[in-house]
Order: sequence, then structure tokens, then C-alpha cells
Amino acid sequence: ETGVTQSPTHLIKTRGQQVTLRCSSQSGHNTVSWYQQALGQGPQFIFQYYREEENGRGNFPPRFSGLQFPNYSSELNVNALELDDSALYLCASSLGQGSIDYNEQFFGPGTRLTVL
Amino acid sequence: DQQVKQNSPSLSVQEGRISILNCDYTNSMFDYFLWYKKYPAEGPTFLISISSIKDKNEDGRFTVFLNKSAKHLSLHIVPSQPGDSAVYFCAATRFAGGTSYGKLTFGQGTILTVHP
Repeated sequence: ETGVTQSPTHLIKTRGQQVTLRCSSQSGHNTVSWYQQALGQGPQFIFQYYREEENGRGNFPPRFSGLQFPNYSSELNVNALELDDSALYLCASSLGQGSIDYNEQFFGPGTRLTVL
Repeated sequence: DQQVKQNSPSLSVQEGRISILNCDYTNSMFDYFLWYKKYPAEGPTFLISISSIKDKNEDGRFTVFLNKSAKHLSLHIVPSQPGDSAVYFCAATRFAGGTSYGKLTFGQGTILTVHP
């Protein structure tokens, strides 16, 4: 069973640029959630995708957007990067709605984004 | 608005002793609580969870206690081992009959160091 994988591992961008982060969910999981973890803080929920539809969003501006593909992999896109976007971006997959296991999310190792 | 708080940034414990990590929450709508462990360069790993209909859940050396009236939960690790040294995050969500999306609200984390 393959776990959650994320690419790239590290990324350096400059302010104003756009970035795409990728996540492959664990086998059999149809729900993907994205979190932003700033240094010294806990992860903050960005949004979640369930069967290719956005299924909840945290307090992040519209320049944070996402996609989920038919194979349940997902992308996080951030436009007009700001210095405060520097963080670890975590992807988590889970089994899907209606089950208590739904909330037990399995995290990938994250992508470390640095905005200069 | 920090809805989940871990007020101790760090905890140091001797091997073999008990580690107690604490977490407070303010949102009374939360009905499901989780603990995650995170090693450097890895994503958070699910440890143990508890539903609001329970006040205690055990899994091996790990026990989570929930005090709903105080909006407080704690994680006990007995006996503590050097391999337990990591950052521990508590998280909360509203499961509400299986129709809620799995937005996890995390605390800031507590760094646990277990000395041999």
C-alpha cells in the first residue's frame, strides 16, 4: 500500500510568482485535504476535495485554489505569491464521507515553499 | 482566534516516566478529537482519537482523556521512550453524524523530549 506522496520536496519562488504543488493520495482514498503549516505553528486547513469537488474551505484567499483528478490525486495552486506564503504545505488523504475513518487523515511529508 | 490551544511549547521527561500533554479548545461544536505525532521532515502521523461521547480512549502506551465540561483533553504516554521524542499536535473537528467535512483545527504543538 503506497502512502501519501507530495512533490516537490522543496521550492523557492519570488514574490508575485505562481506555484503548483502536487499530492498523490493513499491507495483507496477519495478525499484530499490541504494544510499550511507556518514555522512554529500547527497546520491550518486550506481546503478539501472529495470526488473532484471542493468540499470545504478554510480562511484562505481565492488566490489559493486546487484541483482533484479522477485518480484522486490533487494540486494546490497559489497565485501572486506573498512572503507570508512561505510555509510547509501538507496534503492529507482519507477514506471519504460517512465513516468515522473519514476524519483520520494520513499526511504526506509536505512541500517546503520559500518565497523571497 | 485560536480555537485549539496547546499552552506548553515543550515538555521534557525521563525515559520510563509518564508524559502528559495538554490541549484546550473553545469551540463547543467540536465532537471529535485527535492526536498526531510529527518527526522532522515527515508529515504528522495519526496517534489516537476520541469521540465526545467518551471520556477516555486507550491504545497501548497511549491514553487520551477528554473533559468536555472543561473543554480540555490530555494525552498520557506511559512509559515514555526516547523514540517518542517528537512534536505532538492535538486536533479537533466536528464530525456530527458523518456528514461533516474533515476540517481539522490544530493546536500549535508541543515538543516532547524523552531523555534516556
